Amino acid sequence: EPEVTQTPSHQVTQMGQEVILRCVPISNHLYFYWYRQILGQKVEFLVSFYNNEISEKSEIFDDQFSVERPDGSNFTLKIRSTKLEDSAMYFCASSVLTSGPYEQYFGPGTRLTVT
Amino acid sequence: GNSVTQMEGPVTLSEEAFLTINCTYTATGYPSLFWYVQYPGEGLQLLLKATKADDKGSNKGFEATYRKETTSFHLEKGSVQVSDSAVYFCALRGEGNTPLVFGKGTRLSVIA
Repeated sequence: EPEVTQTPSHQVTQMGQEVILRCVPISNHLYFYWYRQILGQKVEFLVSFYNNEISEKSEIFDDQFSVERPDGSNFTLKIRSTKLEDSAMYFCASSVLTSGPYEQYFGPGTRLTVT
Repeated sequence: GNSVTQMEGPVTLSEEAFLTINCTYTATGYPSLFWYVQYPGEGLQLLLKATKADDKGSNKGFEATYRKETTSFHLEKGSVQVSDSAVYFCALRGEGNTPLVFGKGTRLSVIA
């Protein structure tokens, strides 16, 4: 069964460094998402991406965040200058654009630890 | 805006006990409703879903019915197992391809 994959599974970085989290969505999906989950808290939406542009973003997704689809398969989240409060599990999701229910499939997550 | 409220945890049950995790929502229009499960150390997995009023989603012995009159989508299982220990998230998605809105999650621990 096709699945969303994410790399790395765990990333440790120092405050102020740039990180890039990578995702490979399911191949025929057209909508892509990033969510994050700070330890012990609820899952929060960051950004959605369609047709090579951001379609929606939350207030969390400020200027230090960016997303890109550099080729036909990868979808990346970049954090330019990490802060301690960026430590969280980051989930990528994708969905197919059809006339039916738009189920979002989640990857296993990347745990980001900022020290 | 859209929101989801689910019962606070943690919930601790003995094996074979009956489980209910309450979930209510606020949304305009006709949202789709979901339950996701997160096992220890893993990501989010879709457990079940319902896309219109009175639909019942079911999977692995879990069930939830979309009740528009009470704006609820309570998760139930007749007989829980130790392997059901996880965090359960209720979520909704508004009409169209909009982001999911999650509840805070309910941690379930099942003891033998």
